[in-house]
Amino acid sequence: DIQMTQSPSSLSAFVGDRVTITCRASQNINKYLNWYQQSPGKAPILLIHVASYLQSGVPSRFTGGGSGTDFTLTISALQPEDSATYYCQQTYSAPTTFGQGTRVE
Amino acid sequence: QVQLVESGGGVVQPGWSLRLSCAASGFTFSTYAMHWVRQTPGKGLEWMTIISYDGSDKKYADSVKGRFSISRDNFRNILSLEMHSLRGEDTAIYYCAKANCNSASCYTIDYWGQGTLVTVSS
Repeated sequence: DIQMTQSPSSLSAFVGDRVTITCRASQNINKYLNWYQQSPGKAPILLIHVASYLQSGVPSRFTGGGSGTDFTLTISALQPEDSATYYCQQTYSAPTTFGQGTRVE
Repeated sequence: QVQLVESGGGVVQPGWSLRLSCAASGFTFSTYAMHWVRQTPGKGLEWMTIISYDGSDKKYADSVKGRFSISRDNFRNILSLEMHSLRGEDTAIYYCAKANCNSASCYTIDYWGQGTLVTVSS
């Protein structure tokens, strides 16, 4: 199975800050990488698919980048409602696997 | 709007069986693949199984292959998960989730239910 490793595991930031989360795959996954946001007690929400495509309805302050093994999720100006845990997911090969999550406070 | 409502969770003893259901609405259920994904504090998000739009193709994670079975009723818009020989490590929140395309190779999930908690304990 492809292992997905996120860093950092948690971070604290202020409203308006630029925040970047990294996800590294254990092998080349091309651009088959999604990002999800999960607020406490809620189900995950798809933010970004195929590495950089913003899901409909997601604010433009979220951007995704990368290819191969290294990917990033950037929040350009952090808002209070962005306090959540963020997960990456590879869909390159079965079984699909998720990163362990990055908690943003 | 897309709604996925899981039911059937609860507390069971090791070795018991349980059936989870998911009622889908707000989209054409019969044209999308569907997933079950579980979440635990220790292992995070773990994909379990997928079923194609018409039920003809199914895939399972190794951890549940042979014990869990996914099925769907496209007339009643219901997704189900039969779980047998339950173990303590199956304790988790189980999410029903919609794929963004129709085949059993479609691993991007664009909508998730709120989840149902399954606790396996003696």
